[in-house]
Amino acid sequence: SQQGEEDPQALSIQEGENATMNCSYKTSINNLQWYRQNSGRGLVHLILIRSNEREKHSGRLRVTLDTSKKSSSLLITASRAADTASYFCATCKETSGSRLTFGEGTQLTVNP
Amino acid sequence: NAGVMQNPRHLVRRRGQEARLRCSPMKGHSHVYWYRQLPEEGLKFMVYLQKENIIDESGMPKERFSAEFPKEGPSILRIQQVVRGDSAAYFCASSGQMNTEAFFGQGTRLTVV
Repeated sequence: SQQGEEDPQALSIQEGENATMNCSYKTSINNLQWYRQNSGRGLVHLILIRSNEREKHSGRLRVTLDTSKKSSSLLITASRAADTASYFCATCKETSGSRLTFGEGTQLTVNP
Repeated sequence: NAGVMQNPRHLVRRRGQEARLRCSPMKGHSHVYWYRQLPEEGLKFMVYLQKENIIDESGMPKERFSAEFPKEGPSILRIQQVVRGDSAAYFCASSGQMNTEAFFGQGTRLTVV
């Protein structure tokens, strides 16, 4: 089974609304990272949150981490059409060096 | 400071041929990772290398696939005797240290015909 499962699989919202994506994982982690991927392109690193952190902000992004529930959320505020992409969470286990385990992603569509 | 560079961006091979994918990490990065992405799926880890060493190859298929990161030059992912099922996007990432941000290249899209 997957380490790092995103929920929902797909999300469609209107421009200006907030988008929330969730990620669950199964084992202890060193950190959790969120990435964006536009169709057919490479991955863009958004934010890294360490296991001893609970919340991080970067511009319109807010990431939370609850290690007791083994879950994380990514909030994009005031969404724009350009935010349309797939969003992946990736976990870095304590014992795996920097190897990342990705979920299947959430496809976000922001309608103008 | 150039990012992670992968080439070629697109590669078409006939069944049975060899595919060689190259990855130059970000300047100053010594940790390289290869991932494979099938259509509509997330990325799956293949191999983790440091200069001249394979650290973790637990995600590599046992046959036909190999990877190296020589002292000089890019990291190479080599697929021998390609089959249709090898068609995928192959991404390389690099990081400067363990447990830090990994930055990805644009990927190589391999199509086996």
